[in-house]
Amino acid sequence: KQEVTQIPAALSVPEGENLVLNCSFTDSAIYNLQWFRQDPGKGLTSLLLIQSSQREQTSGRLNASLDKSSGRSTLYIAASQPGDSATYLCAVSGGSNYKLTFGKGTLLTVNP
Amino acid sequence: ETGVTQTPRHLVMGMTNKKSLKCEQHLGHNAMYWYKQSAKKPLELMFVYSLEERVENNSVPSRFSPECPNSSHLFLHLHTLQPEDSALYLCASSQDGGPSQPQHFGDGTRLSIL
Repeated sequence: KQEVTQIPAALSVPEGENLVLNCSFTDSAIYNLQWFRQDPGKGLTSLLLIQSSQREQTSGRLNASLDKSSGRSTLYIAASQPGDSATYLCAVSGGSNYKLTFGKGTLLTVNP
Repeated sequence: ETGVTQTPRHLVMGMTNKKSLKCEQHLGHNAMYWYKQSAKKPLELMFVYSLEERVENNSVPSRFSPECPNSSHLFLHLHTLQPEDSALYLCASSQDGGPSQPQHFGDGTRLSIL
């Protein structure tokens, strides 16, 4: 059974810092890995999707890497801003119907 | 605006009530999903529909009954719920249910069982 772990559970940083969020998964037989953002009381917003054959994806200040063989992914956020404050969720797609398995998330607070 | 709309946003019901959650997507997608998000637990997939056919039932109790009348609408019918069913219920859609397309989520229905 696939399990996804995200470390740290919570992170508080001053504005302007570069930061890294970590995600690990137990079964490397995945189709893709996605990073989502969730604001309080809201649904999920897809940030980046990395196919299993890819090593990284970039969007603006966000860069996500994938090391499938070791079961790890990182989300790098450059020059963090207060508006980046949210919960960041990692999910891997695998098995029948490309089922997504989620981690519990990292709660990020960027202080002005 | 994600293109996926869920109603109601909040719902309080007793254990003996019957209610339904509604999800509508305006993205022209062919796959739709129900997820449950409980406090302190990861998001859990409940059901997957592809082209209006249920293709996944992730061991969900029968007190939750999904319905997908067409590719734009998805319902979750609720009856005789338990207090542990209190959670945020999220709907999502994707182009074709395949691995190359991201899922787009609604803002969820916050369900509280008295």
